[in-house]
Amino acid sequence: AQTVTQSQPEMSVQEAETVTLSCTYDTSENNYYLFWYKQPPSRQMILVIRQEAYKQQNATENRFSVNFQKAAKSFSLKISDSQLGDTAMYFCAFMNVDSGTYKYIFGTGTRLKVLA
Amino acid sequence: EPEVTQTPSHQVTQMGQEVILRCVPISNHLYFYWYRQILGQKVEFLVSFYNNEISEKSEIFDDQFSVERPDGSNFTLKIRSTKLEDSAMYFCASRAWGTLSNQPQHFGDGTRLSIL
Repeated sequence: AQTVTQSQPEMSVQEAETVTLSCTYDTSENNYYLFWYKQPPSRQMILVIRQEAYKQQNATENRFSVNFQKAAKSFSLKISDSQLGDTAMYFCAFMNVDSGTYKYIFGTGTRLKVLA
Repeated sequence: EPEVTQTPSHQVTQMGQEVILRCVPISNHLYFYWYRQILGQKVEFLVSFYNNEISEKSEIFDDQFSVERPDGSNFTLKIRSTKLEDSAMYFCASRAWGTLSNQPQHFGDGTRLSIL
């Protein structure tokens, strides 16, 4: 069975600084995707970034980038130039492509607060 | 941008009562999911639904739970006889079909279910 671990329950960062959220996972599968979702207070989860396991190149989306270390089963999220609007709960999620259902396995989340 | 909508946002129910949580997925999506998050815990997969049938369910999804897509637009989760431990936030998600497996899930705002 797959598991996803986010070891940082809460983090804070000063506006305009950089912060890294960690995520590790455990799987014996080879064909999978990893995702980071953001959940602002009282709002729905929004996709931040995704990474295909077969790609060696780390995904980037504007100020968001990942450090994907497949051998170490690590998938951290880096937020550069943090903005107040980045304040949210961040969830790491694993999806096994070969399952056919594309369900997600989530981590427990990291609550990020960006300070003015 | 199309959204997944869930109603109600908050449901309070007496233990032993039946409850129906409603979701309207994005219109051209084909995969549907329910997840739940007990306060302070991780988001857990409950069930996936595709082609008008359950494609996978977790061990949480016992005989008290059922899902339906009664009219081609709504996707409902029914809990037949609620227990105190069913108190949680319930998230609906939908996903498009695609030739690539990297289609992400889109989430609703969630329904907070409180069992008294």
